[in-house]
Amino acid sequence: DVKVTQSSRYLVKRTGEKVFLECVQDMDHENMFWYRQDPGLGLRLIYFSYDVKMKEKGDIPEGYSVSREKKERFSLILESASTNQTSMYLCASSRHTDTQYFGPGTRLTVL
Amino acid sequence: AQSVTQLDSHVSVSEGTPVLLRCNYSSSYSPSLFWYVQHPNKGLQLLLKYTSAATLVKGINGFEAEFKKSETSFHLTKPSAHMSDAAEYFCVVSLTYNNDMRFGAGTRLTVKP
Repeated sequence: DVKVTQSSRYLVKRTGEKVFLECVQDMDHENMFWYRQDPGLGLRLIYFSYDVKMKEKGDIPEGYSVSREKKERFSLILESASTNQTSMYLCASSRHTDTQYFGPGTRLTVL
Repeated sequence: AQSVTQLDSHVSVSEGTPVLLRCNYSSSYSPSLFWYVQHPNKGLQLLLKYTSAATLVKGINGFEAEFKKSETSFHLTKPSAHMSDAAEYFCVVSLTYNNDMRFGAGTRLTVKP
């Protein structure tokens, strides 16, 4: 079975802090994704990566950056957290254009 | 560009009765369509997917969906609801040649005893 893990289930940070969210997949997938999920809005794509050191902006990249130094790991970085970044963050991975598999999510609260 | 509309934000059914969750899609090209389920405080789990093979797609846990091109719909059904089906359901469209997935806003399913 595909396994996608995220470093934290719950995270509380203060405004202005730098925040790192880590995602690891164990299926050698080329593609990895970061989404945020907000009530009534479904999932919105922040960034995705189709190869090591490659990244593409999604629909809402402002305020975020990403890093993919190894194929299995994709990090989401909030350079200076703000209260409007309080959300559920979901990581996913896929092989080429195949089905995306999701991690359990990180619920981030920014105070 | 592709998009999906889930027609109901909340559906409530009694245990043992049929479930219908409605989804309409828009796509310029031949789409792939998915239904995912999310139980409370969990990640998304794939229920089923359509990729231009049979129009009636069977998924896990007794769910199925029918692709109707003329109606641009991909509704999710189950003959008999179970308490464990209570969750949020997302309809998703993507183009078969890329990985750009567009999610609906979600439908919360409540199952009453």
